[in-house]
Amino acid sequence: ILNVEQSPQSLHVQEGDSTNFTCSFPSSNFYALHWYRWETAKSPEALFVMTLNGDEKKKGRISATLNTKEGYSYLYIKGSQPEDSATYLCAFQESTGNQFYFGTGTSLTVIP
Amino acid sequence: GAVVSQHPSRVICKSGTSVKIECRSLDFQATTMFWYRQFPKQSLMLMATSNEGSKATYEQGVEKDKFLINHASLTLSTLTVTSAHPEDSSFYICSARLGASKWNGYTFGSGTRLTVV
Repeated sequence: ILNVEQSPQSLHVQEGDSTNFTCSFPSSNFYALHWYRWETAKSPEALFVMTLNGDEKKKGRISATLNTKEGYSYLYIKGSQPEDSATYLCAFQESTGNQFYFGTGTSLTVIP
Repeated sequence: GAVVSQHPSRVICKSGTSVKIECRSLDFQATTMFWYRQFPKQSLMLMATSNEGSKATYEQGVEKDKFLINHASLTLSTLTVTSAHPEDSSFYICSARLGASKWNGYTFGSGTRLTVV
């Protein structure tokens, strides 16, 4: 079982604050790093699929970076809004198979 | 976009009974479906991989006779928890691959919270 870690476990921020969280993963056998946004009682929503070292991707106020050599990815949210409240999951996809290895998620609460 | 509908979202059953969880792909054909479970404060862990028309492949430590997976059509995969016990109480979620290649995207159901009393 590969170890994928996310920090912090939970986060409370004020509306308008910017925030970021970390996903660390093995630096070997890397194929892709996936970020998902997951609201309670809904399906995880794919945010980014990152494959190349140094990748930076952006979707609105959310962006992510990837460092495959050291095995980490950052997710940034600029100007957090209450609707950003959710759990943010990362998943490591290895090069040898289908399996995703998930972190435990970062639970974000944005206080109006 | 591709949607997987998972039912039920929540189920409570008595110890010793069986529970069936369904995942349907609504607008695409799901050749491969993955079943995960998540215990409190832990990450999603892969239980098994099913390919349409063939037997599921189970991860180490997952009892295939207890967690029966059927993937008889390209739009439906089911997970049956047989003779459920309280320790089977968990969150179960399916994920479908969008295409034949493992490099295609993946989409998830919304999960099932199983409580065995």
